[in-house]
Amino acid sequence: DTAVSQTPKYLVTQMGNDKSIKCEQNLGHDTMYWYKQDSKKFLKIMFSYNNKELIINETVPNRFSPKSPDKAHLNLHINSLELGDSAVYFCASSRTGNSPLHFGNGTRLTVT
Amino acid sequence: KQEVTQIPAALSVPEGENLVLNCSFTDSAIYNLQWFRQDPGKGLTSLLLIQSSQREQTSGRLNASLDKSSGRSTLYIAASQPGDSATYLCAAYETGELTFGTGTRLTIIP
Repeated sequence: DTAVSQTPKYLVTQMGNDKSIKCEQNLGHDTMYWYKQDSKKFLKIMFSYNNKELIINETVPNRFSPKSPDKAHLNLHINSLELGDSAVYFCASSRTGNSPLHFGNGTRLTVT
Repeated sequence: KQEVTQIPAALSVPEGENLVLNCSFTDSAIYNLQWFRQDPGKGLTSLLLIQSSQREQTSGRLNASLDKSSGRSTLYIAASQPGDSATYLCAAYETGELTFGTGTRLTIIP
């Protein structure tokens, strides 16, 4: 009974393709996030959703689009993948913005 | 814009020793500060969360302190064990945004 699960764990694809990463949480949390961890292990927030409303949208390319069908899911769609998109992407959730974050195990995306 | 720094980037200590990991942040207007550990190929595990009104939090062998005025937090690990080897990250939370440090990679030598 994983709290925050994301799939796939590994994703290898070619430049120009469109891909999606799925995330689900069974904690009943109200806020979900997507983070990108670069090659230097630096974690940077990409998006967060609170009750299906986008409340943070950092300066990420519009090729990235979060989609939340319900409070328990926040999927990440990426169009026209580029080499620089290669990274580990983490999904997370929290009860409120001021509560501990629970992270998924990450999706390692490799763009060739 | 908040900046979070963790020094050193890597630390190796013999098993059984006590150790301190450091975290500094530039904007003291934070709601809380969190400490995480990240194991290779895995996600992040929340260790401790200190609210801005608190000075410290303890969980088992871990103790985290927070000094907002100086923009510093420390994570104290007592009686270190090989299983403590991981990367430890701190993150400062402001309105709607959690800013991570770059982490300290800790290796406990058996």
